[in-house]
Amino acid sequence: DTAVSQTPKYLVTQMGNDKSIKCEQNLGHDTMYWYKQDSKKFLKIMFSYNNKELIINETVPNRFSPKSPDKAHLNLHINSLELGDSAVYFCASSQERPPNTGELFFGEGSRLTVL
Amino acid sequence: AQSVTQLDSHVSVSEGTPVLLRCNYSSSYSPSLFWYVQHPNKGLQLLLKYTSAATLVKGINGFEAEFKKSETSFHLTKPSAHMSDAAEYFCVVSALPNDYKLSFGAGTTVTVRA
Repeated sequence: DTAVSQTPKYLVTQMGNDKSIKCEQNLGHDTMYWYKQDSKKFLKIMFSYNNKELIINETVPNRFSPKSPDKAHLNLHINSLELGDSAVYFCASSQERPPNTGELFFGEGSRLTVL
Repeated sequence: AQSVTQLDSHVSVSEGTPVLLRCNYSSSYSPSLFWYVQHPNKGLQLLLKYTSAATLVKGINGFEAEFKKSETSFHLTKPSAHMSDAAEYFCVVSALPNDYKLSFGAGTTVTVRA
């Protein structure tokens, strides 16, 4: 039973399109995250929600909009996709807020390719 | 501000030999430190963490790391590498009490030669 699951795993789309990535965790955690991993493997946090409340909102273009319908789900919607949005997007969850005494549980990633 | 530097972008070892991955951190507060591993096409998995208890931390798969405050280091070691250890390794720091963010290092790619 997958703890943090993301769909789709691969996404290839054209510039200018709008796409969504979904994430669900069955660990009962209160906090969820979206991270972006670029081609050099560098990981950068984008957003974090705690019990459906936005608690981290890094400097990302407002074309990116997270949505948390409940604490087990955190979706990422991207409008007007650009070439630079090509990356692997990881969803993660943690029991604690902040996460500095706990661990993050990551999904397997969603590889987005914008042509 | 907090930051972490992984001193080697790539480490290559022979199977059965020791592995050393180096990590230095910078922090104004007492840090919590982590090592994560990412196997190809997989998410990150926690190997071990230091949160101000024992300075020598043991993790999964035979890995351990030692927190050295005087050297601001948190190096990861394993006595004997296995082929399955080939992966990307990330050193991570969290320092401010009210900072929800983790700072990730740039990663070290480990290859294991048969």
